Amino acid sequence: DQQVKQNSPSLSVQEGRISILNCDYTNSMFDYFLWYKKYPAEGPTFLISISSIKDKNEDGRFTVFLNKSAKHLSLHIVPSQPGDSAVYFCAAQRGGTSYGKLTFGQGTILTVHP
Amino acid sequence: DGGITQSPKYLFRKEGQNVTLSCEQNLNHDAMYWYRQDPGQGLRLIYYSQIVNDFQKGDIAEGYSVSREKKESFPLTVTSAQKNPTAFYLCASSIRRNSPLHFGNGTRLTVT
Repeated sequence: DQQVKQNSPSLSVQEGRISILNCDYTNSMFDYFLWYKKYPAEGPTFLISISSIKDKNEDGRFTVFLNKSAKHLSLHIVPSQPGDSAVYFCAAQRGGTSYGKLTFGQGTILTVHP
Repeated sequence: DGGITQSPKYLFRKEGQNVTLSCEQNLNHDAMYWYRQDPGQGLRLIYYSQIVNDFQKGDIAEGYSVSREKKESFPLTVTSAQKNPTAFYLCASSIRRNSPLHFGNGTRLTVT
């Protein structure tokens, strides 16, 4: 039962353009969502998060949008840079739990071409 | 610098042997976690611990064991009962609910 899904295994974008990574979830109890970036053979690095009481959160080039009715979130990277090339995971946390057990999507490989 | 240290980075074992992966954090975080990553899949939770001397099973705990005798340390033992132990193992910690998990750089375990 995949509760968090990233349906695009890969995305290729030209440098300077926008990258949009998508994530869908099925569990309506999730109330906190995060995006992580991961390079091969390294641990994931936290990028940005959003609480279910918001529909948008912005941090520099990164913006996360949450559509609760559609159970969908997206990460926008503008402008994209070659250094952004990595695997991006979305993750969700269920409300009511005391500490951050996260459920992860399968990941999307982003390649930004110079 | 505060962070999470996992050692070793690469580990090789023969089938049938137990192996223990180390995870140490100096972030003063209460909660610690073990995740497993397989190719083409997301991270799956093995075990987690919210306080010292307490831990709970995650989604794929079979064949694994943990201990939490100190706040800073959360070692994971991969036992011979784990049917597919070859994977990339990630340890993480967090300070409280609705805060991000901080990850170590992982241990790649290969069992032959």
